[in-house]
Amino acid sequence: DAKTTQPNSMESNEEEPVHLPCNHSTISGTDYIHWYRQLPSQGPEYVIHGLTSNVNNRMASLAIAEDRKSSTLILHRATLRDAAVYYCILTEYKLSFGAGTTVTVRA
Amino acid sequence: SAVISQKPSRDICQRGTSLTIQCQVDSQVTMMFWYRQQPGQSLTLIATANQGSEATYESGFVIDKFPISRPNLTFSTLTVSNMSPEDSSIYLCSVRQLKGGNEQFFGPGTRLTVL
Repeated sequence: DAKTTQPNSMESNEEEPVHLPCNHSTISGTDYIHWYRQLPSQGPEYVIHGLTSNVNNRMASLAIAEDRKSSTLILHRATLRDAAVYYCILTEYKLSFGAGTTVTVRA
Repeated sequence: SAVISQKPSRDICQRGTSLTIQCQVDSQVTMMFWYRQQPGQSLTLIATANQGSEATYESGFVIDKFPISRPNLTFSTLTVSNMSPEDSSIYLCSVRQLKGGNEQFFGPGTRLTVL
């Protein structure tokens, strides 16, 4: 699987947007870009995924660069419940987790 | 969506013994996976559980240490054999449909401590 690069940590204030970057310069044409998050003491949960076009769902938005070598997960209004480790993963069917980005939300 | 349950939720075991973890899904799923999460670390994929055939193991994991069964489309077991303290981890079952979307669901995990 192609590798991704994410910052180790990010901080945000409650009710402000959070932009989580992910670099994936070796992405292949068939790789989907997935985002999962893991809240403390829980298993990972799906956030969003996309292939080429930007995607929106009730949890977040995914902005994909035109060359697909980077993407950004956008949490529009962070809440305390959004404090988690966020993983950017490239895959066709197997999820391989990197270190992710630890997001801290300040009240 | 898929609801996954795992048994046991946690266990404390002695060195040299084996533990079998069960994973039950509330619907038929195409793909089932087993992950390990060591303390303070990210998740590592152990293997893909294949229905009616041998599991497909990732590099660094072998069948003798982590035998896996998958008798049907809703159930799988992972055995951690001849345990050592280094096997202390959270073990997670995960499922995904090959069709109908790419979302993958995770169970609550089994927290294993080996003394």
